[in-house]
Amino acid sequence: DAMVIQNPRYQVTQFGKPVTLSCSQTLNHNVMYWYQQKSSQAPKLLFHYYDKDFNNEADTPDNFQSRRPNTSFCFLDIRSPGLGDAAMYLCATSRDLRVRNEQYFGPGTRLTVT
Amino acid sequence: SQQGEEDPQALSIQEGENATMNCSYKTSINNLQWYRQNSGRGLVHLILIRSNEREKHSGRLRVTLDTSKKSSSLLITASRAADTASYFCATDAGGAGGTSYGKLTFGQGTILTVHP
Repeated sequence: DAMVIQNPRYQVTQFGKPVTLSCSQTLNHNVMYWYQQKSSQAPKLLFHYYDKDFNNEADTPDNFQSRRPNTSFCFLDIRSPGLGDAAMYLCATSRDLRVRNEQYFGPGTRLTVT
Repeated sequence: SQQGEEDPQALSIQEGENATMNCSYKTSINNLQWYRQNSGRGLVHLILIRSNEREKHSGRLRVTLDTSKKSSSLLITASRAADTASYFCATDAGGAGGTSYGKLTFGQGTILTVHP
């Protein structure tokens, strides 16, 4: 089945230790998104790629970076995680930006910072 | 700023009853989407309604959109225990006010509990 896969499902990192979360998709969608979701809150968009074009949200901290080496994979790098970065990180894809832009989500990676 | 506001924040019903959740938003939109999230999991897309549509159905789901009131509602009929989840509305402003296309802004969600 076509899907969005996130690895790992659970990640524990130490305060200040760089961590990378990964996302892959078999849907061949043009757009990939990264969201941060804290407990009992709405998902908050961090950035998205339309093909190779990177779009950063204005309020996304510089601590968060992303890479999309090819259509299928997208990575979220947190350079120096703080305690406030503990959250669920959701990857999503959509076929396009304007039409058919319903999003397909992966199961998420729950990040714990110790 | 937050685009979607949902009410109620939590809804508890018995199996077989209908569940209605409401969403209000602030700016003009291209479309509005509803998603479901089971505890600790990713979101699942339920239904998309475009700004020129007023009502849409999908199985036991009925969504309405009133652009003059900037509001939408999601009705789940004949609810089941498996419908227990958080439900989010998300708006696509579609380029309005400099907003990027394809950017969804999520509401805070409604936690629905369906008791067997």
